[in-house]
Amino acid sequence: EVQLVESGGGLVQPGGSLRLSCAASGFTFSSYWMSWVRQAPGKGLEWVANIKQDGSEKYYVDSVKGRFTISRDNAKNSLYLQMNSLRAEDTAVYYCASYYPGIPFDPWGQGTLVTVSS
Amino acid sequence: EIVLTQSPGTLSLSPGERATLSCRASQSVNSNYLAWYQQKPGQAPRLLISGASSRATGIPDRFSGSGSGTDFTLTISRLEPEDFAVYYCQQYGSSPRTFGQGTKVEIK
Repeated sequence: EVQLVESGGGLVQPGGSLRLSCAASGFTFSSYWMSWVRQAPGKGLEWVANIKQDGSEKYYVDSVKGRFTISRDNAKNSLYLQMNSLRAEDTAVYYCASYYPGIPFDPWGQGTLVTVSS
Repeated sequence: EIVLTQSPGTLSLSPGERATLSCRASQSVNSNYLAWYQQKPGQAPRLLISGASSRATGIPDRFSGSGSGTDFTLTISRLEPEDFAVYYCQQYGSSPRTFGQGTKVEIK
């Protein structure tokens, strides 16, 4: 069974840092692009970042450029999101998702909640 | 980037009725790479439709997708109680992959 499990969310003060992880199983992780997508409370879905199979290409939404870093460890079947200089507007549930060009996001993890508040 | 606009924002219907959801793109979606997702409270989005009209594995045939270019539609032929949820469209033919703002289908 294909499974993605996020972890690492929690409460952090503005300006703080957090590292999210996504553990993948049930598929060949190293063959897929991976993405982080977030959803602020009561709001819609927003793509945050994605990374190519070998980590050689990374892309970010403008609002997180210079603050967030996406990475992966194919040997550990894991995806990461290092989040620095966090702001209140980064408060959201963060989902990881796998995909291939021409294929939509499927499946998704269950999400991990990040709350940025003093 | 491609902007997706979904309408209506909220659809109030009764079980057994037909639901028609619209998704309009600001420019043509490459290869009609348009997906529909269903999301229930506290859950991750679930893929319903890919390629504008292909149902994902295990999705009931009361869900159907249509459209091409810039105009796409998700139709639920007869609403079941479990279909009341929020629905998002997403284009995945261009980077960045963008989402519509969602349509909530609520019980009337």
